[in-house]
Amino acid sequence: DVKVTQSSRYLVKRTGEKVFLECVQDMDHENMFWYRQDPGLGLRLIYFSYDVKMKEKGDIPEGYSVSREKKERFSLILESASTNQTSMYLCASSLFQTNEKLFFGSGTQLSVL
Amino acid sequence: DAKTTQPPSMDCAEGRAANLPCNHSTISGNEYVYWYRQIHSQGPQYIIHGLKNNETNEMASLIITEDRKSSTLILPHATLRDTAVYYCIVRNSGNTPLVFGKGTRLSVIA
Repeated sequence: DVKVTQSSRYLVKRTGEKVFLECVQDMDHENMFWYRQDPGLGLRLIYFSYDVKMKEKGDIPEGYSVSREKKERFSLILESASTNQTSMYLCASSLFQTNEKLFFGSGTQLSVL
Repeated sequence: DAKTTQPPSMDCAEGRAANLPCNHSTISGNEYVYWYRQIHSQGPQYIIHGLKNNETNEMASLIITEDRKSSTLILPHATLRDTAVYYCIVRNSGNTPLVFGKGTRLSVIA
C-alpha cells in the first residue's frame, strides 16, 4: 500500500523557533509538494519539487524553505516560526510523468505560540 | 488553469446517489477535470479524473458535458463515510501542481 508519512501529527512551537516538518514517501515518486490548509482558505501550495535537490516556489513561499536531499524525503523549514504560520501542513507526492494522482500524508497540525 | 465553481455545501440521504456539480466554463481543450475528497482530519484523496469522456471507477462516476463546461461527480450509493469536502480541479496535461479551491462539503445523512 502506498504511503506518505509525515513525522508528527501535532506540533507546538514557540515564536522564533526553527521548525522542521518532515515528509517521507515510499512510492519512488519524483514529485513532492507542501501545502498548508487554513479554515476558509482551502489548500494553498507552499513549495514543490520535481527531483532531488530541485525546488520550486508555490503560491505562498514567504517564510518557508525546503530541502530535498533524497528522492523519498521532502522537508519544510520554518526559519523563524511566527503565529501566522499556525496551520495544518500537508505533504503530497506523485509520479513525474503523469502527475495524475496526488498521494497525501495525514497532515501535521502546527501551533506556534 | 481554468477556475472551477462548486456549491459550498450539499446534503444527501444515505443510500441515495450524491450528485456533485462543478462549473468550469473557461476550460481549454487540453485541460483535465480532477476530483479529490478530504475526509475530516485526513489528507485529500484522489477519486477520479477525465478529459471529455465519462469515466467510472470503484469509487465514483464522472460525467462531463459535451461542451466540457461543467461536470458532475456521482457517488451511486452514498454512505456516512462519504461525508467529506469534495474538490473539483481543472488542470492541463503538463506537470503543473494541482490548485485546490474550497470545494463542496457533502453531508450524508442517515
